[in-house]
Amino acid sequence: KAGVTQTPRYLIKTRGQQVTLSCSPISGHRSVSWYQQTPGQGLQFLFEYFSETQRNKGNFPGRFSGRQFSNSRSEMNVSTLELGDSALYLCASRSGTSGALNTGELFFGEGSRLTVL
Amino acid sequence: AQSVAQPEDQVNVAEGNPLTVKCTYSVSGNPYLFWYVQYPNRGLQFLLKYITGDNLVKGSYGFEAEFNKSQTSFHLKKPSALVSDSALYFCAVATYNQGGKLIFGQGTELSVKP
Repeated sequence: KAGVTQTPRYLIKTRGQQVTLSCSPISGHRSVSWYQQTPGQGLQFLFEYFSETQRNKGNFPGRFSGRQFSNSRSEMNVSTLELGDSALYLCASRSGTSGALNTGELFFGEGSRLTVL
Repeated sequence: AQSVAQPEDQVNVAEGNPLTVKCTYSVSGNPYLFWYVQYPNRGLQFLLKYITGDNLVKGSYGFEAEFNKSQTSFHLKKPSALVSDSALYFCAVATYNQGGKLIFGQGTELSVKP
């Protein structure tokens, strides 16, 4: 079974640009979460989607947005990039129904490393 | 507010010795606790979880963790460390009313020397 796939793996942008990151979950997983990892702030929750609906959202500005498609693939977008947005963005998928979302383990992709210059 | 603390930024052990990576948590409600490991330039890999039941949880690669409700701790242990265990370890907590959101600790760098 293929794991969680994130694209692109590495990208470089300049301040003010926008970026879109893609995530394909494990087949059959309907929940997709996004996390930001930085040396200073550690791992921080961005948002979670289940069956195309945002279920939960972290404390990030509105420049960070996401969506999920009917095939469970997800994208996140960051607009008007700032230097502080440089980070490893991790996507994770989870099996289970909406009533048991948080007892199953997350399966993480290898991340998209974004550098903002 | 929910939080997770990993009091040690780094843990050094000799190969063959037992290892412990500490984790304490603060939540309202029953906690769901997880340990993940991250190797350089990779995503996180699941090691084990505590949801309910036996306080001693066994996981992947010989790791185990003990849930202690009175001390609000969930320390990760392994009886005999391997050099290949060297990595970054994260403890995380979730609660039912937070949906799928995990709160992670800051991580502990484990270094196992031959």
